Amino acid sequence: GAVVSQHPSRVICKSGTSVKIECRSLDFQATTMFWYRQFPKKSLMLMATSNEGSKATYEQGVEKDKFLINHASLTLSTLTVTSAHPEDSSFYICSARDRTSGTYEQYFGPGTRLTVT
Amino acid sequence: DAKTTQPPSMDCAEGRAANLPCNHSTISGNEYVYWYRQIHSQGPQYIIHGLKNNETNEMASLIITEDRKSSTLILPHATLRDTAVYYCIVRTYLGGYQKVTFGTGTKLQVIP
Repeated sequence: GAVVSQHPSRVICKSGTSVKIECRSLDFQATTMFWYRQFPKKSLMLMATSNEGSKATYEQGVEKDKFLINHASLTLSTLTVTSAHPEDSSFYICSARDRTSGTYEQYFGPGTRLTVT
Repeated sequence: DAKTTQPPSMDCAEGRAANLPCNHSTISGNEYVYWYRQIHSQGPQYIIHGLKNNETNEMASLIITEDRKSSTLILPHATLRDTAVYYCIVRTYLGGYQKVTFGTGTKLQVIP
């Protein structure tokens, strides 16, 4: 089956630093990837939609200069949390859409837990 | 995408069937019902989807009412590993710029 990986799985960083999270589709090509964040005991909230070779589309209320998304290839999208603050601590999950499947099915990564101290 | 309503939590005894309901009264004709689950601190996992017919796979069964305004996910023999939050989502199936939007889901606790 289609596999999506994320790296790192956990990261702790100091306030003010930037953190990059990678999302890879391992056995399929993904023209579109999605980034979600999830606070404890809450549902997933869509942050942005990332298309290969073009600018990401951000959901309302998500700061694009804060959460930089790059989708440089059909198998890799990155989310960079810039000048991280403790309130950015969250579980970040990506998903990738299989472009070759006629169903455009979406597959989710295992998530990255970010803790900002 | 149409909105869904699910009970916030449910308990089920291990080995028994878990029946998770979902209301989607505003579903439109071309929208499918999808179910995902999220085990603690992991990414969501696809379970099953359907349009109007009942569906079954190795994980679960999906029963959709004739008017398509509600559905039930059935885990036939729940195990402790089925403890998770289950999300019911309606979305168009093919193409377009649609995205998966999660509601609050149902937290299923399987009890030994």
